[in-house]
Amino acid sequence: DTAVSQTPKYLVTQMGNDKSIKCEQNLGHDTMYWYKQDSKKFLKIMFSYNNKELIINETVPNRFSPKSPDKAHLNLHINSLELGDSAVYFCASSQVGRGNTEAFFGQGTRLTVV
Amino acid sequence: AQSVTQLDSQVPVFEEAPVELRCNYSSSVSVYLFWYVQYPNQGLQLLLKYLSGSTLVKGINGFEAEFNKSQTSFHLRKPSVHISDTAEYFCAVTPSNDYKLSFGAGTTVTVRA
Repeated sequence: DTAVSQTPKYLVTQMGNDKSIKCEQNLGHDTMYWYKQDSKKFLKIMFSYNNKELIINETVPNRFSPKSPDKAHLNLHINSLELGDSAVYFCASSQVGRGNTEAFFGQGTRLTVV
Repeated sequence: AQSVTQLDSQVPVFEEAPVELRCNYSSSVSVYLFWYVQYPNQGLQLLLKYLSGSTLVKGINGFEAEFNKSQTSFHLRKPSVHISDTAEYFCAVTPSNDYKLSFGAGTTVTVRA
């Protein structure tokens, strides 16, 4: 059983399109995250949800909109894709409410905008 | 706010040699510290973590790290590396009562025969 799974693994799309990346965790964690890894492998947090509530919203264009239908899911929708959005996007989850634990990461979604 | 500095961007090392990856952090509150490894085209996998207690923590694959509060460091070591240890290594920190995991810029370890 995969702890944190995200789909799709690869996504190639044209500029201007709208796309979504889905993430699910089966660990029972209360907090989920989206991270962006750029071409230099730098990891930067984008969003964090705790019990379906948005906790962290870093300086991210409002073309990016996270949605958490329940504690186990955190999807990322991107409107009007731009070339600079090309990156690897990682979903993660952790348990913060009852004592902090490490974050578990998905395998990543490599987004290429052409 | 927290920040993490990984002092070495690339570390080439020969097989069976020891390796040390340096990590320094800054924070005004107590923190938890982590080392993650990313193999090519894969996600991040936890190597080890420091939450409290003994400052020497042991992780998977023979890695260990030492938390030094006075020097605000959390250096990662392995006494003898294998080819399969070739990967990107990330140091990360989070406040003990918060949600935000901040990463260093990563260290690329290349193990050669």
